[in-house]
Amino acid sequence: DAGVIQSPRHEVTEMGQEVTLRCKPISGHDYLFWYRQTMMRGLELLIYFNNNVPIDDSGMPEDRFSAKMPNASFSTLKIQPSEPRDSAVYFCASSPLNRNYGYTFGSGTRLTVV
Amino acid sequence: AQSVTQPDIHITVSEGASLELRCNYSYGATPYLFWYVQSPGQGLQLLLKYFSGDTLVQGIKGFEAEFKRSQSSFNLRKPSVHWSDAAEYFCAFVSGGGADGLTFGKGTHLIIQP
Repeated sequence: DAGVIQSPRHEVTEMGQEVTLRCKPISGHDYLFWYRQTMMRGLELLIYFNNNVPIDDSGMPEDRFSAKMPNASFSTLKIQPSEPRDSAVYFCASSPLNRNYGYTFGSGTRLTVV
Repeated sequence: AQSVTQPDIHITVSEGASLELRCNYSYGATPYLFWYVQSPGQGLQLLLKYFSGDTLVQGIKGFEAEFKRSQSSFNLRKPSVHWSDAAEYFCAFVSGGGADGLTFGKGTHLIIQP
């Protein structure tokens, strides 16, 4: 398996623009998580899905952030409009129903909003 | 509130010396505990995990960790570090029900001296 795949690896955008981050989880995994990593706040859970259904989005910072999982093999995290304080590394992770196997992370998307 | 604390922001160790990274958790029951490593510009790689049973768990790259319920700790150890171990190390946990995403500590930056 290729692991969790995120795209793009790097994104530079201007303030006010829409940004879409993409994630392909490991095939057969039931859970998908979106995290944000910053120097100040560390790794924060934004939202997670179980079988494509959003379970907990309490970590989503503002209404400017939205996430979807239209099918078991694809998820997006959208920021509209983007702001400089959204600059961070965004990670996607997936896990099977049996958490004994752990959570597998993607390589992340480094977002810079100028 | 549920949380995990890594008291040491930075640790410097000489190559070949032993290593111990500290992790304390705050949770009413026994959580599922994890250690992840992040090399610069990379995603998070799972080193080891504890769910139940033997309190000393072995992981990849020669790492081990010991769960101590009485101290609410899950410290990571390695008998002899290599220069390639220089990275950021994160302790994380999820509630025993395993229904949520991981909660991460702030991380410990490991520096290896030649």
